[in-house]
Amino acid sequence: GAVVSQHPSWVICKSGTSVKIECRSLDFQATTMFWYRQFPKQSLMLMATSNEGSKATYEQGVEKDKFLINHASLTLSTLTVTSAHPEDSSFYICSASNREGGYTFGSGTRLTVV
Amino acid sequence: AQSVAQPEDQVNVAEGNPLTVKCTYSVSGNPYLFWYVQYPNRGLQFLLKYITGDNLVKGSYGFEAEFNKSQTSFHLKKPSALVSDSALYFCAVRDVNSGGYQKVTFGTGTKLQVIP
Repeated sequence: GAVVSQHPSWVICKSGTSVKIECRSLDFQATTMFWYRQFPKQSLMLMATSNEGSKATYEQGVEKDKFLINHASLTLSTLTVTSAHPEDSSFYICSASNREGGYTFGSGTRLTVV
Repeated sequence: AQSVAQPEDQVNVAEGNPLTVKCTYSVSGNPYLFWYVQYPNRGLQFLLKYITGDNLVKGSYGFEAEFNKSQTSFHLKKPSALVSDSALYFCAVRDVNSGGYQKVTFGTGTKLQVIP
């Protein structure tokens, strides 16, 4: 149980376009989801905490207008990278609180902006 | 503020030998502690967690970790390493007393290389 599906697993987009990444909890309801960004050879940086039905809480230094997060239901949170630029190229990972008091992670999305 | 330290960027161990990946933490209250493994271009896979109870926690793939409150450590261990254990390992902590705010802080990761 406690599976989180993240889609797409990789995406290449042109500079200036927007990209949407989906994170779904498949067999449990996730009232809270988290979005992380990982740079090569670095740890995960928490970008924002997403609560169902309310606005996301962004970490300091994360542009909320650039990284739009929507948590419209108990099983779906989306991250939209707007007007993407090459410096936005990264590995994005979502996670959700699970029933056992831990966290289940999605498989990640490799974003490359060209 | 909570923090996690993984002092070793890389750990090399021969196949069949015991392995240890170190982690120390700092929280204001009681900690939830986690270990995750990440394979290249993949998300994180849960290995084990400590919330309360027995200080020795057993997890997936034969891994275990020991919670040591006095040393504020949560080292990951395995009695006999496999080549397939080669991956990036992350330690993470959450402050139990953070209430509704579930921020989890990750360490910088330790690359484990098991040599055949």
